[in-house]
Amino acid sequence: AQTVTQSQPEMSVQEAETVTLSCTYDTSESDYYLFWYKQPPSRQMILVIRQEAYKQQNATENRFSVNFQKAAKSFSLKISDSQLGDAAMYFCAYRRPDKIIFGKGTRLHILP
Amino acid sequence: EAQVTQNPRYLITVTGKKLTVTCSQNMNHEYMSWYRQDPGLGLRQIYYSMNVEVTDKGDVPEGYKVSRKEKRNFPLILESPSPNQTSLYFCASSLGKTQYFGPGTRLLVL
Repeated sequence: AQTVTQSQPEMSVQEAETVTLSCTYDTSESDYYLFWYKQPPSRQMILVIRQEAYKQQNATENRFSVNFQKAAKSFSLKISDSQLGDAAMYFCAYRRPDKIIFGKGTRLHILP
Repeated sequence: EAQVTQNPRYLITVTGKKLTVTCSQNMNHEYMSWYRQDPGLGLRQIYYSMNVEVTDKGDVPEGYKVSRKEKRNFPLILESPSPNQTSLYFCASSLGKTQYFGPGTRLLVL
């Protein structure tokens, strides 16, 4: 069965610094998608970044980038130049055809 | 504007009183899904639908029903709500690999 593990329930980072959120997953599939979602206090689920497993190149979206290690089944999110608006719960997710499996989340605090 | 809408956004009800949470998308997506979010548990899938008239159970289907009579709508039905169904509910839809989420419905069952 596929599982997604986020080992850091909470993290804090100083504004303008860089922070990395970790995620590991377990699957026997070779082709899949991985996502990071952000959930701010409004509770809206916002897609941050997406990675296709068949692509070796790590996805990047502005200040957000991933370190995708397929063999190690690791998918960490790096946030550069952290901003106060980055404070949120972050969910790592694995996509298979019928559903997305979510980790339990990492709450990120930004310290001014 | 492409979006997934849910109604109501907030609901307080009592044990045993049937309720329906509506979900609608305007993107002609085939796939739709319901999740519940509880503290410390992340999001867990309740039911999903791959297309019209095709629905299947997710990880936590007990106490819920769904229907998919038309592509754009995917209502979640609680026939006899119980306090353990107090949660934040999300509807989502997708055509490709990315799911788009509705704004969430916060349900409190007394």
